[in-house]
Amino acid sequence: GQNIDQPTEMTATEGAIVQINCTYQTSGFNGLFWYQQHAGEAPTFLSYNVLDGLEEKGRFSSFLSRSKGYSYLLLKELQMKDSASYLCAVPPGTDSNYQLIWGAGTKLIIKP
Amino acid sequence: DAGVTQSPTHLIKTRGQQVTLRCSPKSGHDTVSWYQQALGQGPQFIFQYYEEEERQRGNFPDRFSGHQFPNYSSELNVNALLLGDSALYLCASRKSFGTVYNEQFFGPGTRLTVL
Repeated sequence: GQNIDQPTEMTATEGAIVQINCTYQTSGFNGLFWYQQHAGEAPTFLSYNVLDGLEEKGRFSSFLSRSKGYSYLLLKELQMKDSASYLCAVPPGTDSNYQLIWGAGTKLIIKP
Repeated sequence: DAGVTQSPTHLIKTRGQQVTLRCSPKSGHDTVSWYQQALGQGPQFIFQYYEEEERQRGNFPDRFSGHQFPNYSSELNVNALLLGDSALYLCASRKSFGTVYNEQFFGPGTRLTVL
């Protein structure tokens, strides 16, 4: 079957670093997406990884290990506005044009 | 350049009623997907439209139907509403080809409450 697991909730302090993990099981693989979603709003794209390794984009970085079925999103210099849910998503097959399968999301709470 | 737009923003219906939600894709996009997102959950894929046809469908009953128009806009119809249909309904659009990866752009969503 196909499955995505993420922690339900995490808490971190403003200015700190936090790592949000995601493990997945799919019949094929064609990349992994991370989206940010503020409460009551639509998801917004953060990153896409298709090759192993770390991709850095400003304060956010995303890592992928295809052999382990594992990814993480690293957020540095946390700001209060980073309080949101972070969703991991993968296409279910080998065709990237199909719909995504989503994790339930990790709710990140930032404290002053 | 307008992004994905959805209407209405909020909607309240009673059990058994029917509802129609609307979506206009981002300029240049021709493929529209609909998702249902219950509180505290990730989005669940309902179906995807391309060239005015349903191309992919998730695990949703026939009460959920859709349509895509020649201008690429789309509608989601839900018949015989149940309390469990209360959710945020998201529309996402993308180009069918010519992109390096399948990045979808989401609309703001329609919050449907069934009483």
